[in-house]
Amino acid sequence: QLQLQESGPGLVRPSETLSLTCTVSGASFRSNTDYWGWIRQPPGKGLEWIGSISYSGSTYYNPSLKSRVTISVDTSKNEFSLKLDSVIAADTAAYHCARLSYGSGKQFYGMDVWGQGTTVTVSS
Amino acid sequence: SYELTQPPSVSVSPGQTASITCSGDKLGSKYACWYQQRPGQSPMLVIYQDTKRPSGIPERFSGSNSGNTATLTIGGTQTMDEADYYCQAWDDTTAVFGGGTKLTVL
Repeated sequence: QLQLQESGPGLVRPSETLSLTCTVSGASFRSNTDYWGWIRQPPGKGLEWIGSISYSGSTYYNPSLKSRVTISVDTSKNEFSLKLDSVIAADTAAYHCARLSYGSGKQFYGMDVWGQGTTVTVSS
Repeated sequence: SYELTQPPSVSVSPGQTASITCSGDKLGSKYACWYQQRPGQSPMLVIYQDTKRPSGIPERFSGSNSGNTATLTIGGTQTMDEADYYCQAWDDTTAVFGGGTKLTVL
């Protein structure tokens, strides 16, 4: 059974870089079709997609965050990571990683497996 | 940028049918997904490709999408269905979520 687990610091100072890792276990990470994504949720607010990456390293980013975001993959460790530069208080949120499931014909089957989320607070 | 609009809240009595809408420009020409998020939990996919249910999702959850509106319908609503619900679609290569609807079962 596929499981995703986020890890990283719970507190980041303003203007610094937020770094999180998502570890994938229980099933093959080496999918030719699926993508792996980051989604965040500020306290009391809705979901915001940050970006996604494929096993081969192809990335898509939310245009509103693109200038500050880098998502990378480490296939040897079954992990993918998020870096968000120059953080501000508005970046305080629960950060979730998720699998974006696709069919062989690139049909999107939804974000079907989620990590439990990790809370990151931006504060001095 | 593309936007999806949901009502902030919907109320339903137990055993009745709840409908949650999601509106966006020509949304019917895209596929919509729906996610349920219970308090303190991660989101869970309940509908994908407008109408399909993942394995393990009860049959009382159904979806439709036409014109500018996608709808999540929960038939025979149970107290365990009380949660926030989010619609999601793709605008080219950007995933967009609706603002979420709080479903209250009372």
